[in-house]
Amino acid sequence: DGGITQSPKYLFRKEGQNVTLSCEQNLNHDAMYWYRQDPGQGLRLIYYSQIVNDFQKGDIAEGYSVSREKKESFPLTVTSAQKNPTAFYLCASRGKGSGQPQHFGDGTRLSIL
Amino acid sequence: QKEVEQDPGPLSVPEGAIVSLNCTYSNSAFQYFMWYRQYSRKGPELLMYTYSSGNKEDGRFTAQVDKSSKYISLFIRDSQPSDSATYLCAMSVGYGGATNKLIFGTGTLLAVQP
Repeated sequence: DGGITQSPKYLFRKEGQNVTLSCEQNLNHDAMYWYRQDPGQGLRLIYYSQIVNDFQKGDIAEGYSVSREKKESFPLTVTSAQKNPTAFYLCASRGKGSGQPQHFGDGTRLSIL
Repeated sequence: QKEVEQDPGPLSVPEGAIVSLNCTYSNSAFQYFMWYRQYSRKGPELLMYTYSSGNKEDGRFTAQVDKSSKYISLFIRDSQPSDSATYLCAMSVGYGGATNKLIFGTGTLLAVQP
């Protein structure tokens, strides 16, 4: 089945540690996105990528990094510089062409130990 | 003021009721409007997608856009317990631009009581 797979479902971070969240899609979509979801704040855009080897900062990129070495994969690293990392992280992708909506994976919940 | 406002609820209705969910927005440039359904501990699932003003119907769901009032609605007919979820509205200026950036409401939590 085509879709977006995020792993792991739950992740715990220690102080000073970097952690990487995985996002893989087999929809042949060019554009991929990372969002953060906090209670009462809706989804906020962290990073996005429209093509392999290219990505741009979203609204809340500080403390995060990404890479896009393959079309199918868009991993997100939450660095130790992100002081409030506890949140639900969602990856999305979108097909080419106007009018294509974004589709989401099932998320990774990150908590601080 | 947020660009998109959505009542967080919770909204509790009996099974079979008609549900009305709403969002208001401030940016008159928004042209694409979406409703997503999100079950607990899951990602958002696209329910309805409309361009510009007007109505769109899909089964028990109807989406309405009133650009003159900057107001969008999602109606659910014959609501079922399985409709219990958080409903997120989202909108964007366009798809021709570089980002397809979506602006989301905070979501409305709906509970349909059997």
